[in-house]
Amino acid sequence: EPEVTQTPSHQVTQMGQEVILRCVPISNHLYFYWYRQILGQKVEFLVSFYNNEISEKSEIFDDQFSVERPDGSNFTLKIRSTKLEDSAMYFCASSEASGLRKLFFGSGTQLSVL
Amino acid sequence: GESVGLHLPTLSVQEGDNSIINCAYSNSASDYFIWYKQESGKGPQFIIDIRSNMDKRQGQRVTVLLNKTVKHLSLQIAATQPGDSAVYFCAENRNAGGTSYGKLTFGQGTILTVHP
Repeated sequence: EPEVTQTPSHQVTQMGQEVILRCVPISNHLYFYWYRQILGQKVEFLVSFYNNEISEKSEIFDDQFSVERPDGSNFTLKIRSTKLEDSAMYFCASSEASGLRKLFFGSGTQLSVL
Repeated sequence: GESVGLHLPTLSVQEGDNSIINCAYSNSASDYFIWYKQESGKGPQFIIDIRSNMDKRQGQRVTVLLNKTVKHLSLQIAATQPGDSAVYFCAENRNAGGTSYGKLTFGQGTILTVHP
């Protein structure tokens, strides 16, 4: 069964450092998303991406965040200067045109900012 | 504002029993609802969805009920098995145009524990 894959599964970084979280969405999907879950809190929407541009973003997704689809398969989330409060599980998701709202999630990247 | 919340944070059942997980939502404009299951170390896994023009939808061993009058959603799992032990999230979406389809608002989650 096709699945969304994310790497790395764990990322530890120092405050102020840049991190890039990587995702390979399901191959025939056209819509891509990043969500995050701070420990003990709800899963929160960060950004949606379609046709090589951001469709919608939350207030969390400030200028420190960016997304990119550098090639035909990868979808990345970059945090330019990490803060302690960026520590969370980051989930990538994708959906297809015929089922836009049925999101398929990856297993997540646990980001720890020290 | 928009919010989706769960009444019960934990639920323990015996194997073979039926489980009911509840969810309340406050945004009357929500028109699509999903239940996700999250096992330890994994991402949310799609279980079942329902649109607001329906009040019931059945899948394999699962049923979702939607009561728009009281803004309540429930997930029923029949003959619960130990493999059903996980955190269950409800999520909602409001159709506000083409860009909002993937913007899900999640509830806090209910921990389901199934005892053999």
